[in-house]
Amino acid sequence: QSALTQPASVSGSPGQSITVSCTGTSSDVGGYNYVSWYQHHPGKVPKLMIYDVSSRPSGVSNRFSGSKSGNTASLTISGLQAEDEADYYCSSFTSGSSRYVFGTGTKVTVL
Amino acid sequence: QEQLVESGGGVVQPGRSLRLSCAASGFTFSRYGMHWVRQAPGKGLEWVAVTSVDGSDKFYGDSVKGRFTISRDNSRNTLSLQMNSLRADDTATYYCAKELSFNRFDLWGQGTLVTVSP
Repeated sequence: QSALTQPASVSGSPGQSITVSCTGTSSDVGGYNYVSWYQHHPGKVPKLMIYDVSSRPSGVSNRFSGSKSGNTASLTISGLQAEDEADYYCSSFTSGSSRYVFGTGTKVTVL
Repeated sequence: QEQLVESGGGVVQPGRSLRLSCAASGFTFSRYGMHWVRQAPGKGLEWVAVTSVDGSDKFYGDSVKGRFTISRDNSRNTLSLQMNSLRADDTATYYCAKELSFNRFDLWGQGTLVTVSP
């Protein structure tokens, strides 16, 4: 099972919106609405930001939103803030023998 | 409050074994699937293994299949990962995580570092 493909880095200025993509196949992202996104600050614990493609856990800012089209899922951060600077990982359920897969990770930088 | 605490990490030689544990508290452990996820130094998150609520179903990532074994003891609220035939590329921080629903990891431990080195 290969990792889902994410851009290595995405950047934006405070207040702007950015989108992080997550590309898989019909066996994972495209086949299930079980895509999640995690925010990971170095040295800290990963935090769930989006689940089931577009649902947001309580306590997560509504500046974070998720969507999916075909085999590609996306995380959009609107009104970018300095505290959003972190690594972001997508994850999907998969029909492969391993059942779960993470993306390659994207470093979000606030300029 | 809900909490997961990993233990058992350390330095081990290639080819040797190590057993990680994850102690759960603050929630009904037996109701949730439990996972191990790892992150090698400077690398991304990698899913390692999952066990179903009663331990009857287990799945593994391709890189650890046949070498690692996940297990759980619902009477002790403990998740374990037996790691055999360790290799240098198994060096990573290992996290246990609770699966609230399909692919929704809502609680993570702080991680335990495993270093495989001669």
